[in-house]
Amino acid sequence: KAGVTQTPRYLIKTRGQQVTLSCSPISGHRSVSWYQQTPGQGLQFLFEYFSETQRNKGNFPGRFSGRQFSNSRSEMNVSTLELGDSALYLCASSRPVGGGDTQYFGPGTRLTVL
Amino acid sequence: DAKTTQPNSMESNEEEPVHLPCNHSTISGTDYIHWYRQLPSQGPEYVIHGLTSNVNNRMASLAIAEDRKSSTLILHRATLRDAAVYYCILIGADGLTFGKGTHLIIQP
Repeated sequence: KAGVTQTPRYLIKTRGQQVTLSCSPISGHRSVSWYQQTPGQGLQFLFEYFSETQRNKGNFPGRFSGRQFSNSRSEMNVSTLELGDSALYLCASSRPVGGGDTQYFGPGTRLTVL
Repeated sequence: DAKTTQPNSMESNEEEPVHLPCNHSTISGTDYIHWYRQLPSQGPEYVIHGLTSNVNNRMASLAIAEDRKSSTLILHRATLRDAAVYYCILIGADGLTFGKGTHLIIQP
């Protein structure tokens, strides 16, 4: 079956703008998690959505938000972009994240903020 | 706060076994231990996971300490394609906790 897809793959924005990234999970998966990856900080958990509800949240400012639709597709939004938001944003899907379920990662969206 | 600790990098020779350690001293009783790896320019991919008992699959083995405060990912015969960053991750009711990962270098 098709894997996790993320759009767009690459994005260039300027400081102060906002951006919306999209993630389509594997069919049948109801949990979507978002991560930020930077060279200095590694992989950091942003938030997890399950059945359209945010279930867990990492330690990121309120400029980072997300939502999940009834078909499990998810979007994340970053408002008032800062240079430090330049990163690879990864999305992963699973059946519920209950510990025993494998997370399947997408290829990521590379965001560059100028 | 990261709840897992891994060495920044490790080096091994091709066709030799590799033992990648991970410390997770604050693991809770319901946290599963997952290992993922990330090759350059790709998203992380699943390697193996376990709760209490040692686990084997076609990619690797996972040895979990009796007190669950540490675990070791074992690649039985490393190949050049195993060169990647390996992440030890705790997944439980509180979500996911990543370590910084170990950059595994394989020498031919």
